[in-house]
Amino acid sequence: QKEVEQDPGPLSVPEGAIVSLNCTYSNSAFQYFMWYRQYSRKGPELLMYTYSSGNKEDGRFTAQVDKSSKYISLFIRDSQPSDSATYLCAMSESRGGGADGLTFGKGTHLIIQP
Amino acid sequence: DGGITQSPKYLFRKEGQNVTLSCEQNLNHDAMYWYRQDPGQGLRLIYYSQIVNDFQKGDIAEGYSVSREKKESFPLTVTSAQKNPTAFYLCASRGKNSHEQYFGPGTRLTVT
Repeated sequence: QKEVEQDPGPLSVPEGAIVSLNCTYSNSAFQYFMWYRQYSRKGPELLMYTYSSGNKEDGRFTAQVDKSSKYISLFIRDSQPSDSATYLCAMSESRGGGADGLTFGKGTHLIIQP
Repeated sequence: DGGITQSPKYLFRKEGQNVTLSCEQNLNHDAMYWYRQDPGQGLRLIYYSQIVNDFQKGDIAEGYSVSREKKESFPLTVTSAQKNPTAFYLCASRGKNSHEQYFGPGTRLTVT
């Protein structure tokens, strides 16, 4: 069983729709959760960072963590064509400030149709 | 501008040659990382360094080497022992006591 599961997509939605992206994980020690956006042939860009369970909102983006279900989500409201990218979830355990790197999902390819 | 730079953006090498990828950061971050990204595989950790003159192997270190002589710099050498070196290589850094990592623009290496 892989540590972090993420549907690769592609996920295609019309402009203006609400997008839901998800990851599941198996390691109950994960405490810190991140979402990155990666455009083609570019480095990942940090979008959202949350600690433990709960919600965090930043503009059109909302990150949600449910540790009891080992499930995290990223919601994008009023989606735009510029949101078309690959979205990667990433996680780390509490020890050492994530010293030994992050565990990534494989990414979901999102397409917003104008 | 603060950030992470990687050079070159594209690199081509012949099989059997060693090649070094550059990574520089001016964020004053202590920790630096190298990842490899292949289609359908996600990001895999090659090496990481938490402090100058110290580094640790990641999940796929075979065929790679690194050095950390300066806080700002963490070059990666892809040796001829790496069986499948063609990939997109990403460098990242992390501030002390934080968990989030910040990535450079990447270097696409093609070995033929």
